[in-house]
Amino acid sequence: GAVVSQHPSRVICKSGTSVKIECRSLDFQATTMFWYRQFPKQSLMLMATSNEGSKATYEQGVEKDKFLINHASLTLSTLTVTSAHPEDSSFYICSARAAPRNTGELFFGEGSRLTVL
Amino acid sequence: GQQLNQSPQSMFIQEGEDVSMNCTSSSIFNTWLWYKQDPGEGPVLLIALYKAGELTSNGRLTAQFGITRKDSFLNISASIPSDVGIYFCAGQNSGGSNYKLTFGKGTLLTVNP
Repeated sequence: GAVVSQHPSRVICKSGTSVKIECRSLDFQATTMFWYRQFPKQSLMLMATSNEGSKATYEQGVEKDKFLINHASLTLSTLTVTSAHPEDSSFYICSARAAPRNTGELFFGEGSRLTVL
Repeated sequence: GQQLNQSPQSMFIQEGEDVSMNCTSSSIFNTWLWYKQDPGEGPVLLIALYKAGELTSNGRLTAQFGITRKDSFLNISASIPSDVGIYFCAGQNSGGSNYKLTFGKGTLLTVNP
């Protein structure tokens, strides 16, 4: 399957700082990437849909000014958690659909564990 | 929004046993996907189903897309210790620019050697 890579895999930061997480498609072009959040022992919750060259679409209840998404190229999307607080601590996972394949298969990154002190 | 009910929530089995888990939806999907997630990792795609009634295998895994398009099951035969993990079903109504997934709550599988 297609390879999606996230960086960093783990990050610890102080409250009030901003953290950037990168999601890269390594062997394919991704016109659409998705960002998920997962709390311990819970399922994945979609935060936003990132489209290359346009603004991200956020799910209801997700603050777009808090979670900034940039999809500047067909292989890179970034999620920036601004002014992070302890309640933002979570496992953040991105996924991507290989373009121009017309299938629904989404491939996931390894995830990024954010801990806000 | 669409709701997915995945069951069972957890399973404890002996190595060599077969496993079955399923998902049901309140509305139809045109694609069902099954993923496995190991601790601290992202989900890995196991099987993708695109047609109602479709039965697809991947090694010891078999999944079916229900004929009503509102359900799917995943079977694992002759389980081994490395099958341990959380299994998620996901439904999708792909088309146009929308490929969002709706996930089930997951089935935690424990295999005793």
